[in-house]
Amino acid sequence: GDSVTQMEGPVTLSEEAFLTINCTYTATGYPSLFWYVQYPGEGLQLLLKATKADDKGSNKGFEATYRKETTSFHLEKGSVQVSDSAVYFCALSPGGSYIPTFGRGTSLIVHP
Amino acid sequence: NAGVMQNPRHLVRRRGQEARLRCSPMKGHSHVYWYRQLPEEGLKFMVYLQKENIIDESGMPKERFSAEFPKEGPSILRIQQVVRGDSAAYFCASSPQGAGRNGELFFGEGSRLTVL
Repeated sequence: GDSVTQMEGPVTLSEEAFLTINCTYTATGYPSLFWYVQYPGEGLQLLLKATKADDKGSNKGFEATYRKETTSFHLEKGSVQVSDSAVYFCALSPGGSYIPTFGRGTSLIVHP
Repeated sequence: NAGVMQNPRHLVRRRGQEARLRCSPMKGHSHVYWYRQLPEEGLKFMVYLQKENIIDESGMPKERFSAEFPKEGPSILRIQQVVRGDSAAYFCASSPQGAGRNGELFFGEGSRLTVL
């Protein structure tokens, strides 16, 4: 079945540091790939997406490139802020079914 | 345009009681997904519904759990005879069509169930 694997957290960084959160996937066919963000006490919201190989999704300084050859969709940001502290979820849809599949989430903590 | 509305936000039940969680999707959305979030386990799919139909309930336990999305009114996730292991955050998400390649889901803020 479909699956998404994310690096374990928490990831702890100082403000203005470079961020990478790794995400790899297994899926049937050619899914679209997503990053969602969950701030404390809130639901998930879409951060960025890419619908085909080599596409780059970007939003709010975050970027991720759809790499079919390595089945990866790593999230990056050049300079994190305290306000970026949240849990980040990698997801795919559709794979073998029409149910979006989520990774376990990676907690990011940014210190001033 | 109101987002996905879930209530209650917090619910406390004793073992053996029933829990009912409600979800009103965004206006114009007829597809609803329920996910459960447990600490350290991420989001687990439970059930996918369209108006008056259960499309996929493969992630939902066979016993004690049920879901509906009637023609009028919110979607309801019902847990009968709750046990401590049911304590979790339950998230509802909606989309205007099936998630498909566009895939974007719009999430509510979740209902946090605590079983004493």
